[in-house]
Amino acid sequence: AQRVTQPEKLLSVFKGAPVELKCNYSYSGSPELFWYVQYSRQRLQLLLRHISRESIKGFTADLNKGETSFHLKKPFAQEEDSAMYYCALSGRGEEYGNKLVFGAGTILRVKS
Amino acid sequence: GAVVSQHPSRVICKSGTSVKIECRSLDFQATTMFWYRQFPKQSLMLMATSNEGSKATYEQGVEKDKFLINHASLTLSTLTVTSAHPEDSSFYICSAYGLEGVNGYTFGSGTRLTVV
Repeated sequence: AQRVTQPEKLLSVFKGAPVELKCNYSYSGSPELFWYVQYSRQRLQLLLRHISRESIKGFTADLNKGETSFHLKKPFAQEEDSAMYYCALSGRGEEYGNKLVFGAGTILRVKS
Repeated sequence: GAVVSQHPSRVICKSGTSVKIECRSLDFQATTMFWYRQFPKQSLMLMATSNEGSKATYEQGVEKDKFLINHASLTLSTLTVTSAHPEDSSFYICSAYGLEGVNGYTFGSGTRLTVV
Protein backbone atom coordinates (compact mmCIF):
# COMPACT_ATOMS: atom_id res chain seq x y z
CA ALA A 1 0.00 0.00 0.00
CA GLN A 2 1.03 3.57 -0.58
CA ARG A 3 1.28 5.92 2.36
CA VAL A 4 2.60 9.44 2.72
CA THR A 5 3.26 11.05 6.09
CA GLN A 6 3.69 14.75 6.68
CA PRO A 7 4.24 15.05 10.43
CA GLU A 8 3.77 18.80 10.75
CA LYS A 9 0.35 20.41 10.33
CA LEU A 10 1.78 23.89 10.57
CA LEU A 11 5.23 25.32 10.10
CA SER A 12 5.75 28.93 10.96
CA VAL A 13 9.02 30.69 10.05
CA PHE A 14 10.30 34.22 9.67
CA LYS A 15 11.04 35.73 6.30
CA GLY A 16 14.58 34.88 5.25
CA ALA A 17 14.79 31.79 7.45
CA PRO A 18 15.39 28.32 6.01
CA VAL A 19 12.42 26.05 5.46
CA GLU A 20 12.17 22.28 5.59
CA LEU A 21 8.84 20.56 5.13
CA LYS A 22 9.08 16.90 6.04
CA CYS A 23 7.67 14.02 4.05
CA ASN A 24 8.13 10.32 4.59
CA TYR A 25 6.62 7.59 2.52
CA SER A 26 5.86 3.91 2.60
CA TYR A 27 5.74 1.98 -0.63
CA SER A 28 6.94 -1.45 -1.65
CA GLY A 29 7.77 -0.61 -5.24
CA SER A 30 9.66 2.17 -6.92
CA PRO A 31 7.74 5.35 -6.20
CA GLU A 32 7.48 8.67 -7.90
CA LEU A 33 7.31 11.55 -5.43
CA PHE A 34 5.80 14.99 -5.88
CA TRP A 35 5.31 18.21 -3.99
CA TYR A 36 2.15 20.19 -4.69
CA VAL A 37 1.29 23.64 -3.43
CA GLN A 38 -2.13 25.15 -2.87
CA TYR A 39 -2.29 28.91 -2.42
CA SER A 40 -5.34 30.44 -0.83
CA ARG A 41 -8.43 29.99 -3.03
CA GLN A 42 -6.43 28.49 -5.88
CA ARG A 43 -6.19 25.06 -7.39
CA LEU A 44 -3.49 22.55 -6.60
CA GLN A 45 -0.28 23.23 -8.51
CA LEU A 46 2.70 21.01 -9.06
CA LEU A 47 5.77 22.40 -7.35
CA LEU A 48 8.26 19.71 -8.24
CA ARG A 49 8.72 16.02 -8.86
CA HIS A 50 11.71 13.97 -7.91
CA ILE A 51 12.47 12.59 -11.35
CA SER A 52 12.92 16.03 -12.88
CA ARG A 53 15.33 17.15 -10.15
CA GLU A 54 14.41 20.79 -10.83
CA SER A 55 14.41 23.70 -8.45
CA ILE A 56 11.15 25.65 -8.59
CA LYS A 57 10.73 28.99 -6.79
CA GLY A 58 13.89 28.16 -4.91
CA PHE A 59 12.50 24.89 -3.52
CA THR A 60 14.34 21.61 -3.83
CA ALA A 61 13.62 18.09 -2.66
CA ASP A 62 15.81 15.02 -2.74
CA LEU A 63 14.50 11.50 -2.66
CA ASN A 64 16.26 9.52 0.05
CA LYS A 65 15.35 5.90 -0.46
CA GLY A 66 17.26 4.76 2.61
CA GLU A 67 15.24 7.01 4.87
CA THR A 68 12.15 6.85 2.64
CA SER A 69 11.96 10.62 2.73
CA PHE A 70 11.36 13.44 0.29
CA HIS A 71 11.73 16.59 2.35
CA LEU A 72 11.08 19.97 0.73
CA LYS A 73 13.66 22.66 1.39
CA LYS A 74 14.22 26.31 0.68
CA PRO A 75 17.18 28.27 2.05
CA PHE A 76 15.39 31.62 2.47
CA ALA A 77 11.65 31.78 2.98
CA GLN A 78 9.59 34.55 1.38
CA GLU A 79 6.18 35.80 2.45
CA GLU A 80 4.65 34.66 -0.84
CA ASP A 81 5.63 31.08 0.02
CA SER A 82 2.83 30.98 2.59
CA ALA A 83 0.51 28.20 1.42
CA MET A 84 -0.52 24.60 1.98
CA TYR A 85 2.05 22.08 0.79
CA TYR A 86 1.23 18.47 -0.02
CA CYS A 87 3.63 15.64 -0.56
CA ALA A 88 2.28 12.96 -2.88
CA LEU A 89 3.31 9.55 -4.09
CA SER A 90 2.46 7.79 -7.29
CA GLY A 91 2.58 4.06 -7.58
CA ARG A 92 3.61 3.67 -11.16
CA GLY A 93 2.63 0.80 -13.30
CA GLU A 94 -0.62 -0.90 -14.21
CA GLU A 95 -0.89 -2.92 -11.04
CA TYR A 96 -1.01 0.27 -8.98
CA GLY A 97 -3.16 2.17 -11.45
CA ASN A 98 -0.89 5.19 -11.32
CA LYS A 99 -2.75 6.30 -8.21
CA LEU A 100 -1.57 9.56 -6.67
CA VAL A 101 -1.88 9.52 -2.90
CA PHE A 102 -1.45 12.62 -0.76
CA GLY A 103 -0.05 13.32 2.64
CA ALA A 104 -2.07 15.32 5.14
CA GLY A 105 -0.45 18.55 4.12
CA THR A 106 1.59 21.18 5.94
CA ILE A 107 0.61 24.82 6.19
CA LEU A 108 3.63 27.05 5.79
CA ARG A 109 3.32 30.52 7.29
CA VAL A 110 6.08 32.97 6.59
CA LYS A 111 6.05 35.91 8.97
CA SER A 112 7.56 39.28 8.22
CA GLY B 1 0.48 23.37 -20.61
CA ALA B 2 -2.06 20.73 -19.70
CA VAL B 3 -5.41 22.12 -18.55
CA VAL B 4 -8.30 20.43 -16.80
CA SER B 5 -11.67 22.11 -16.63
CA GLN B 6 -14.03 21.16 -13.81
CA HIS B 7 -17.67 22.27 -13.63
CA PRO B 8 -19.54 23.51 -11.80
CA SER B 9 -17.28 25.32 -9.37
CA ARG B 10 -20.07 25.59 -6.82
CA VAL B 11 -23.40 23.85 -6.48
CA ILE B 12 -26.11 23.83 -3.87
CA CYS B 13 -28.69 21.09 -3.98
CA LYS B 14 -31.51 19.75 -1.86
CA SER B 15 -31.24 16.52 0.08
CA GLY B 16 -32.31 13.56 -2.00
CA THR B 17 -31.40 15.03 -5.35
CA SER B 18 -28.47 14.10 -7.58
CA VAL B 19 -25.63 16.30 -8.73
CA LYS B 20 -23.29 15.77 -11.65
CA ILE B 21 -19.75 17.15 -11.74
CA GLU B 22 -17.80 17.23 -14.99
CA CYS B 23 -14.08 17.01 -15.50
CA ARG B 24 -12.59 17.66 -18.92
CA SER B 25 -9.02 17.54 -20.13
CA LEU B 26 -8.85 20.37 -22.64
CA ASP B 27 -5.65 19.84 -24.53
CA PHE B 28 -4.61 16.28 -23.87
CA GLN B 29 -6.06 12.81 -23.63
CA ALA B 30 -6.47 11.51 -20.12
CA THR B 31 -6.02 7.77 -19.91
CA THR B 32 -7.00 7.87 -16.27
CA MET B 33 -8.97 10.29 -14.15
CA PHE B 34 -9.00 10.43 -10.39
CA TRP B 35 -11.65 11.84 -8.09
CA TYR B 36 -10.76 13.25 -4.70
CA ARG B 37 -12.70 14.64 -1.81
CA GLN B 38 -11.29 17.33 0.43
CA PHE B 39 -12.73 18.32 3.78
CA PRO B 40 -11.95 21.77 5.20
CA LYS B 41 -8.30 22.12 6.15
CA GLN B 42 -7.68 18.47 5.39
CA SER B 43 -5.90 16.56 2.70
CA LEU B 44 -7.23 15.14 -0.54
CA MET B 45 -8.75 11.72 -0.07
CA LEU B 46 -8.76 9.56 -3.18
CA MET B 47 -12.26 8.32 -3.88
CA ALA B 48 -11.91 6.46 -7.13
CA THR B 49 -9.89 5.90 -10.26
CA SER B 50 -11.52 5.74 -13.65
CA ASN B 51 -10.09 4.55 -16.92
CA GLU B 52 -11.71 5.39 -20.20
CA GLY B 53 -14.22 2.78 -21.25
CA SER B 54 -14.06 0.68 -18.10
CA LYS B 55 -15.62 0.62 -14.65
CA ALA B 56 -14.18 2.85 -11.99
CA THR B 57 -12.13 1.42 -9.15
CA TYR B 58 -13.29 2.74 -5.79
CA GLU B 59 -11.20 3.15 -2.69
CA GLN B 60 -12.18 1.30 0.45
CA GLY B 61 -15.10 2.90 2.21
CA VAL B 62 -16.38 4.80 -0.82
CA GLU B 63 -19.92 3.81 -1.85
CA LYS B 64 -19.93 3.17 -5.56
CA ASP B 65 -23.71 3.39 -5.77
CA LYS B 66 -23.65 6.84 -4.23
CA PHE B 67 -20.74 8.22 -6.22
CA LEU B 68 -21.27 7.17 -9.81
CA ILE B 69 -18.31 7.72 -12.08
CA ASN B 70 -18.43 7.65 -15.85
CA HIS B 71 -15.40 8.01 -18.08
CA ALA B 72 -16.95 7.84 -21.51
CA SER B 73 -14.12 9.41 -23.47
CA LEU B 74 -10.44 10.22 -23.13
CA THR B 75 -11.30 13.81 -22.32
CA LEU B 76 -14.34 13.59 -20.07
CA SER B 77 -15.15 12.01 -16.74
CA THR B 78 -18.21 12.70 -14.61
CA LEU B 79 -18.95 12.16 -10.94
CA THR B 80 -22.60 11.96 -9.97
CA VAL B 81 -23.49 12.23 -6.30
CA THR B 82 -26.79 10.40 -6.04
CA SER B 83 -29.44 10.96 -3.40
CA ALA B 84 -27.27 13.60 -1.81
CA HIS B 85 -27.27 14.15 1.94
CA PRO B 86 -25.79 17.01 3.96
CA GLU B 87 -22.83 14.81 4.92
CA ASP B 88 -21.91 14.65 1.23
CA SER B 89 -21.19 18.37 1.36
CA SER B 90 -17.53 18.72 0.53
CA PHE B 91 -14.99 19.92 -1.99
CA TYR B 92 -14.55 17.49 -4.88
CA ILE B 93 -11.49 17.63 -7.10
CA CYS B 94 -10.67 15.72 -10.24
CA SER B 95 -7.26 14.96 -11.65
CA ALA B 96 -6.47 13.81 -15.15
CA TYR B 97 -3.51 11.63 -15.89
CA GLY B 98 -2.17 11.61 -19.38
CA LEU B 99 1.04 10.50 -20.89
CA GLU B 100 1.44 13.90 -22.46
CA GLY B 101 2.48 16.85 -20.35
CA VAL B 102 5.26 17.50 -17.95
CA ASN B 103 3.87 15.99 -14.82
CA GLY B 104 1.26 13.48 -15.85
CA TYR B 105 -1.30 14.66 -13.27
CA THR B 106 -3.31 17.82 -13.84
CA PHE B 107 -5.92 19.01 -11.39
CA GLY B 108 -9.26 20.67 -11.86
CA SER B 109 -10.19 23.72 -9.85
CA GLY B 110 -12.62 21.74 -7.72
CA THR B 111 -16.35 21.79 -7.02
CA ARG B 112 -17.83 22.99 -3.75
CA LEU B 113 -20.95 20.92 -3.10
CA THR B 114 -23.40 22.01 -0.44
CA VAL B 115 -26.39 19.82 0.28
CA VAL B 116 -29.19 21.53 2.17
